[in-house]
Amino acid sequence: NAGVTQTPKFQVLKTGQSMTLQCAQDMNHNSMYWYRQDPGMGLRLIYYSASEGTTDKGEVPNGYNVSRLNKREFSLRLESAAPSQTSVYFCASSEIQDSYNEQFFGPGTRLTVL
Amino acid sequence: QKEVEQNSGPLSVPEGAIASLNCTYSDRGSQSFFWYRQYSGKSPELIMFIYSNGDKEDGRFTAQLNKASQYVSLLIRDSQPSDSATYLCAVNRVMDSNYQLIWGAGTKLIIKP
Repeated sequence: NAGVTQTPKFQVLKTGQSMTLQCAQDMNHNSMYWYRQDPGMGLRLIYYSASEGTTDKGEVPNGYNVSRLNKREFSLRLESAAPSQTSVYFCASSEIQDSYNEQFFGPGTRLTVL
Repeated sequence: QKEVEQNSGPLSVPEGAIASLNCTYSDRGSQSFFWYRQYSGKSPELIMFIYSNGDKEDGRFTAQLNKASQYVSLLIRDSQPSDSATYLCAVNRVMDSNYQLIWGAGTKLIIKP
């Protein structure tokens, strides 16, 4: 039982390049999330998927797109990377969306955009 | 004003003492509250969840919730060096018919041997 996995762990991009961050969970969770974490700012929600087949914008969606490929997988795409997107990206999942919204996190992807 | 506020620290506490971490939130509609621990370079992990006013204890950890005053706190008794980490407060509320966690920036805790 691997929990939430993310690839890659580290990535360096040049401005304007594109890439896709992959996330998968094996806990049969319905909801999945993408966050970014910057120093002094806590976790900020980029996009989330409450259930398979749905995606919604979070607090900071500009410059990103997502795909909920199936119940297990939720990918995040940067179409044209910018230095402001240098951050640590975490994928998370939760069983269902309710008042007990415990989220389980992947190990993170450390992205640097030059 | 941020929706969820925490003192960024660092908070330095001697080993064996009680560490007290505080969090305030602005939305009175918030329904439940979480404390996550994050070691440097690692991902957040849940340590406490609370939704009713009062105290909730789990081992050395006690979460306290006061909805009238809109604050939630975390007490760590008999602090150990392994408790040194950043503690994130998260508030669960409904936005656009979906539940979302709103996160504080975290408090860095240092336990001095």
